[in-house]
Amino acid sequence: NAGVTQTPKFRVLKTGQSMTLLCAQDMNHEYMYWYRQDPGMGLRLIHYSVGEGTTAKGEVPDGYNVSRLKKQNFLLGLESAAPSQTSVYFCASSLLRGDQETQYFGPGTRLLVL
Amino acid sequence: AQSVAQPEDQVNVAEGNPLTVKCTYSVSGNPYLFWYVQYPNRGLQFLLKYITGDNLVKGSYGFEAEFNKSQTSFHLKKPSALVSDSALYFCAVRDSAAGNKLTFGGGTRVLVKP
Repeated sequence: NAGVTQTPKFRVLKTGQSMTLLCAQDMNHEYMYWYRQDPGMGLRLIHYSVGEGTTAKGEVPDGYNVSRLKKQNFLLGLESAAPSQTSVYFCASSLLRGDQETQYFGPGTRLLVL
Repeated sequence: AQSVAQPEDQVNVAEGNPLTVKCTYSVSGNPYLFWYVQYPNRGLQFLLKYITGDNLVKGSYGFEAEFNKSQTSFHLKKPSALVSDSALYFCAVRDSAAGNKLTFGGGTRVLVKP
């Protein structure tokens, strides 16, 4: 099992450009999540999905959109990138709905918006 | 609203000495508590979790954590630190009354010196 993978690993964008981050998991997990990590702020939830075809807003959803067309993939889109979106983005997945479930994380995507 | 605090930005310890990383939380329901570790340029790795039962939880790599309900704390401990334990540690909480949202602390950097 590859677990949770993310592409790309690193990207530089100019303000106003758009891009899509791809997350894939091969563990047949129902739940998937997108977080951003900023120094001193831990991880903050952007959007999440409780199953194929469903998405929901997290703590900091503005400026991002997501789609879960296939169970194994969760895409994060930036329609018009801003410097404030410079961050490290992590995808995670968990097996079932439940307060007890452990989330498994991908290696991250480092995004720099100039 | 649920919250997590990690009061120390950095912890320095000599190899072989005990290591403690502090975490306190606030929830309205029952807490489900997690510790994750992040090595440089890597995603988060699950260390251990408290759901219910014994207050002392044992996890990966010799780490353990003690749940203290009266002090609303979940400190991470290791009896004898290794240089390879140098990393960024995150505490996280899920509130049983707040769905499946996981809230992370700001992280504590651990530096173990030879």
